[in-house]
Parts: sequence; C-alpha cells; structure tokens
Amino acid sequence: GAVVSQHPSWVICKSGTSVKIECRSLDFQATTMFWYRQFPKQSLMLMATSNEGSKATYEQGVEKDKFLINHASLTLSTLTVTSAHPEDSSFYICSASAGKRSYNSPLHFGNGTRLTVT
Amino acid sequence: AQKVTQAQTEISVVEKEDVTLDCVYETRDTTYYLFWYKQPPSGELVFLIRRNSFDEQNEISGRYSWNFQKSTSSFNFTITASQVVDSAVYFCALSDPDNYGQNFVFGPGTRLSVLP
Repeated sequence: GAVVSQHPSWVICKSGTSVKIECRSLDFQATTMFWYRQFPKQSLMLMATSNEGSKATYEQGVEKDKFLINHASLTLSTLTVTSAHPEDSSFYICSASAGKRSYNSPLHFGNGTRLTVT
Repeated sequence: AQKVTQAQTEISVVEKEDVTLDCVYETRDTTYYLFWYKQPPSGELVFLIRRNSFDEQNEISGRYSWNFQKSTSSFNFTITASQVVDSAVYFCALSDPDNYGQNFVFGPGTRLSVLP
C-alpha cells in the first residue's frame, strides 16, 4: 500500500532556530501534499496545501513566512518552521494523495513530527 | 459549511464489550466522501475506511463495522468485542469536492480506552 514517510519523528530545538520537516511519498507520486498541526488532545488542523511546482496555499491564520513549504518534486514536500518559538511546539503531520483530484482518494499520512522548542 | 461532529469526547469500555463511535456531518454537496482514521498513542494516522455519498451500504471488516445513514447525516463506527489494542483516538473526516483546496475536514476525535 501507499506509504508516506515523515522525518524526523521528533525534534527538540532552541528558540530562534529553524527546523525542517520532510514528507516523502515512497511508492506513489503525490501531486498534492497537506500539512497539519495537532495540539495535544485536539483534532488535526490543516495548515497548508502543497502543490508540486507551485506555491503552497495557506489556511487563514497560518503565517506563510513562519511556516515555509516547498514541494520541489512529486515525492517530497518540506515544512520549515523558521525562528521557532515555544508556542510552535506541536505535532506536525503531513499527508499525501495519489489522485490529482485528491478529494476522493484516501489520504495517506506520515507518522508525524513532534516538535519541542525550548 | 462543512463540519464533522463527534459528540463523544472520551469513551471507556472493558475488553470484549462492543462500542459505537458516533459521527455526524454537515455538507451542502451531494457528492462527498467520509472517512475514519485511527490514531494510536504513537501518533500516526491509520486509514480505516472511505465511503462515498452514493453508497449507503453498511460495511463490515472483521470486528469493525460502519453504518452510513444519509437521512441522519451520520457515519457511525462500531467495534465488536473490543480489545486493548483498539485504544486510540478515532477521527471521522469529510472530504468535499467543493472545498478541494481545504480537502479534509476532521472531527474533533473520540478517545477510546479499552480496559483489560
């Protein structure tokens, strides 16, 4: 079955530094990838939609300059948390779909990245 | 607006009991897709089922079964003879083609604890 790999699975960084999270589709081409954020005991909140070869679409309230998304190939999207602060500590999870119109395809999720900013 | 409600925040059952997780959705579209995902303590999201709005047949997969009723906009999930390994947070999700850019709308999740 389709596999999405997310790396790293956890990271601790100091306030003010930047952290890059990778999301790879291992056995399919993902034209669209999604980045979610999940606070403890809460649901997943879509942050942005990443389209290969074009700019990401950010949800309202998500700072584009803080959460940089790059979808450089059909198998890789990256999320960079720039100048991280403790309030950015969260569980970040990516997902990818093999369908161009992905609304009717099951999303395959990475294992998530737990970011802790000290 | 699209919305998914999972009224049960937390459920605790004893092993071997049956448990039903409720999901109620709202959408204006006639074509939509419903999903259930499981999130164990390790954090990853595990896909369980996808159902399109034109298929109201109930589905059974092992100990899992799903009851889709358009008349009540519900897509409930039942685990029969629950096991400790079923302990997780379960999310119901709605995918609406009119909101392709936003793709999935997740419910708040139901935390299921199965006690030995």
